[in-house]
Amino acid sequence: TQLLEQSPQFLSIQEGENLTVYCNSSSVFSSLQWYRQEPGEGPVLLVTVVTGGEVKKLKRLTFQFGDARKDSSLHITAAQTGDTGLYLCAGGKGGNTGKLIFGQGTTLQVKP
Amino acid sequence: EAGVVQSPRYKIIEKKQPVAFWCNPISGHNTLYWYRQNLGQGPELLIRYENEEAVDDSQLPKDRFSAERLKGVDSTLKIQPAELGDSAVYLCASSPRRGGLYTGELFFGEGSRLTVL
Repeated sequence: TQLLEQSPQFLSIQEGENLTVYCNSSSVFSSLQWYRQEPGEGPVLLVTVVTGGEVKKLKRLTFQFGDARKDSSLHITAAQTGDTGLYLCAGGKGGNTGKLIFGQGTTLQVKP
Repeated sequence: EAGVVQSPRYKIIEKKQPVAFWCNPISGHNTLYWYRQNLGQGPELLIRYENEEAVDDSQLPKDRFSAERLKGVDSTLKIQPAELGDSAVYLCASSPRRGGLYTGELFFGEGSRLTVL
């Protein structure tokens, strides 16, 4: 069974602090996505990483794909209250396989 | 471009009653997913369609759940009869292909929140 484990599960920080969320697996993925979900909404795609060691930046968010394509991290610099939400990583096998495995999520609360 | 549309947004039913959810994916997206999500948890796949064909329904509880995607566009997910443990948000997502290959990039609807009393 392919599993994606996220840590931490819950994170409560003050505005302005930095944080990192981890997504780990024993399986190799051809791509890995990060989504953010706000209450009452569906997840929204933030980024896709496909190359081992790849780093992508989205404003204050930095995403990294592990060299072996088994893990990923999301780093947020100077968190804002608008960053509050559920962060989900998802791994795909790509190619001719549309199967996508989601992690259990990290709930982030940024307090003013 | 319109996003994934789901209805109803909310549904409250008594246990043992039937319920149905509808999904209209993004135009041109051949792959359609139904996920179930419990509060604060990641989505769990129920069924995945490629056009009108269900290519992965291994996690669909077939004794009470059914789904269809007629003409490879809209899809319906049905539960009959509903149980207390079915209370959750049911998410529909669609995904494009690029160069014929899966991208793994899902576009989700807002979800249908089911409460079974």
